[in-house]
Amino acid sequence: QSALTQPASVSGSPGQSITISCTGTSSDVGTYNYVSWYQHHPGNAPKLMIYGVINRPSGVSNRFSGSKSANTASLTISGLQAEDEADYYCSSYTTGSTLIVFGGGTKLTVL
Amino acid sequence: EVQLVESGGGFIQPGGSLRLSCEVFGLTFRSNSMNWVRQAPGKGLEWISYISSGGTSTYYADSVKGRFTTSRDNAKNSLYLQMYNLRAEDTAVYYCATDGGSWSIDPWGQGTLVTVSS
Repeated sequence: QSALTQPASVSGSPGQSITISCTGTSSDVGTYNYVSWYQHHPGNAPKLMIYGVINRPSGVSNRFSGSKSANTASLTISGLQAEDEADYYCSSYTTGSTLIVFGGGTKLTVL
Repeated sequence: EVQLVESGGGFIQPGGSLRLSCEVFGLTFRSNSMNWVRQAPGKGLEWISYISSGGTSTYYADSVKGRFTTSRDNAKNSLYLQMYNLRAEDTAVYYCATDGGSWSIDPWGQGTLVTVSS
């Protein structure tokens, strides 16, 4: 299975909102509500931010929200803060023997 | 607090074998499915393996199928990744991580670096 498609980079100013897209196929994002989003500061362990398309784990700021339409899932970060600058990855459950597929990652820069 | 501690990474020549370990603290290990995920230098995250809580079901990415084997010892709260016939493209930081539900992955360990080079 091919990786999910994410933009390589996005940027925004403090206080603004940004959205990162994650495009898959009917074998993954389009069929299953098992899309997750991870925040990764290089050198640290990745952190789960969204699971099941729209759900936030305990302790994750409500500035982070997820959605999905057809084969594309999205992560929206509102009220951008400097500490949001990181790499963001989506993942999805997928059919076949490969259970989970990741997106290529998006580097978020807070200007 | 849940903690996952990987070990066993290092420098290995192409064609060699290596076994990674991951010890898990702070959760009921035997009740949790587990994953291995890797990140090659300058690249994104790549899921490579899943094992069910009882160890009876395993799944692998096509890139490692037939060369890597995942196992677990629930009595030792430990997860393992046995890697054979290593290639340069297997060079990566390898993370162990718990199944977070809804096919999410959470939490993660800090990772262990495997370098395959002659």
